[in-house]
Amino acid sequence: GAGVSQSPSNKVTEKGKDVELRCDPISGHTALYWYRQSLGQGLEFLIYFQGNSAPDKSGLPSDRFSAERTGGSVSTLTIQRTQQEDSAVYLCASSLDRARDIQYFGAGTRLSVL
Amino acid sequence: GESVGLHLPTLSVQEGDNSIINCAYSNSASDYFIWYKQESGKGPQFIIDIRSNMDKRQGQRVTVLLNKTVKHLSLQIAATQPGDSAVYFCAESSNTNAGKSTFGDGTTLTVKP
Repeated sequence: GAGVSQSPSNKVTEKGKDVELRCDPISGHTALYWYRQSLGQGLEFLIYFQGNSAPDKSGLPSDRFSAERTGGSVSTLTIQRTQQEDSAVYLCASSLDRARDIQYFGAGTRLSVL
Repeated sequence: GESVGLHLPTLSVQEGDNSIINCAYSNSASDYFIWYKQESGKGPQFIIDIRSNMDKRQGQRVTVLLNKTVKHLSLQIAATQPGDSAVYFCAESSNTNAGKSTFGDGTTLTVKP
């Protein structure tokens, strides 16, 4: 079946603008993660959704970042008033049912804030 | 806080040689470990996993070794090929971190022909 799909693959925006990044997880996967990866760096956890439970937002770096997951499927990560330091690749992953299961990653959205 | 770290940021090997990538973790409650491979421009992909009730697990050309005494994890790649060139991440999880995986910084493996 289809893997995790992210859109857009690339996004260039101006400082101060809002952006929305979309993630379509693998069908049937109940857990969904967002990570941020700066150039040459590791994965920075942002937020985690598990079924109908309240999301774990402990990794969001500021209140400019928010995420939603509608109907237990598609998720949108929103960054308001973007700053240059927000430039990175934003990766989404999903797993079958438990947080400790194998995560399947999308190809990411490369965000560039000018 | 808890962290998962890798000993070396880069590793360069000759094609055909064996590669060993190391990972240290600090959470003694960690009981599930995964190795991921990330090729340029792609998201990480699962390679192999191991649970804490095991010391060794083998896959196709890859072996993961777990030493719980010193909290050390390694990934061994046999007969390394150019297609193995990538960044390798270890990740750990446990019930004490709400089931979230913690990723290490990654080791860049370069295979020379």
